[in-house]
Amino acid sequence: DIVMTQSPDSLVVSLGERATINCKSSQSVLYSSNNKNYLAWYQQKPGQPPKLLIYWASTRESGVPDRFSGSGSGTDFTLTISSLQAEDVAVYYCQQYYGTPRTFGQGTKVEVK
Amino acid sequence: QVQLQESGPGLVKPSQTLSLTCNVSGGPINTGSYYWSWIRQPAGKGLEWIGRIYTSGTTTYNPSLESRVTISADTSKNEFSLKLNSVTAADTAVYYCARDPGYPSNIWGQGTMVTVSS
Repeated sequence: DIVMTQSPDSLVVSLGERATINCKSSQSVLYSSNNKNYLAWYQQKPGQPPKLLIYWASTRESGVPDRFSGSGSGTDFTLTISSLQAEDVAVYYCQQYYGTPRTFGQGTKVEVK
Repeated sequence: QVQLQESGPGLVKPSQTLSLTCNVSGGPINTGSYYWSWIRQPAGKGLEWIGRIYTSGTTTYNPSLESRVTISADTSKNEFSLKLNSVTAADTAVYYCARDPGYPSNIWGQGTMVTVSS
């Protein structure tokens, strides 16, 4: 299995400040034939299913605010919230879909200072 | 717009079989190129991918659960199902069904809580 490790486990950020979450995979999730990174980011709020934010490591899902951005390649990835809003308080997960079983990071809880 | 809804018993006894169904509305499950998946999440914990069934009927399971899991589809009812046998308290979780075309999507059910307890 590809192990996904996120850091930090939790993050406290002031409103309007930047939040950065890292995700590292135990093996590359870059598929050489199409040069795509099989890495997604989800946001989950209490009592709700995960909401897809980013796929292909940096493609924003339709309707997702542009303050959310994804970057990275190979084994190291980052989700950045450029200016934290109150509604961004949630747990964020990375997921690889390079292989099966699909695996998720342990989650990063983002709170407001 | 495709929508998914999980259903099934909220309480299952240890050693018995957990059975859940995901009803699909807004489109047939046997057309297109889609994976119909099950994911679970214990309370306060992370997400675990259980397995999936492709439009063609091919299944793939998480090796950690493979010996206990069966995912099947009933095209006449436009639904797919999860069976997990020999359950223990460790199988207590919210179970989600989801659809994707081979890469992640936002087509998820709302989730259903299943508790394993005598």
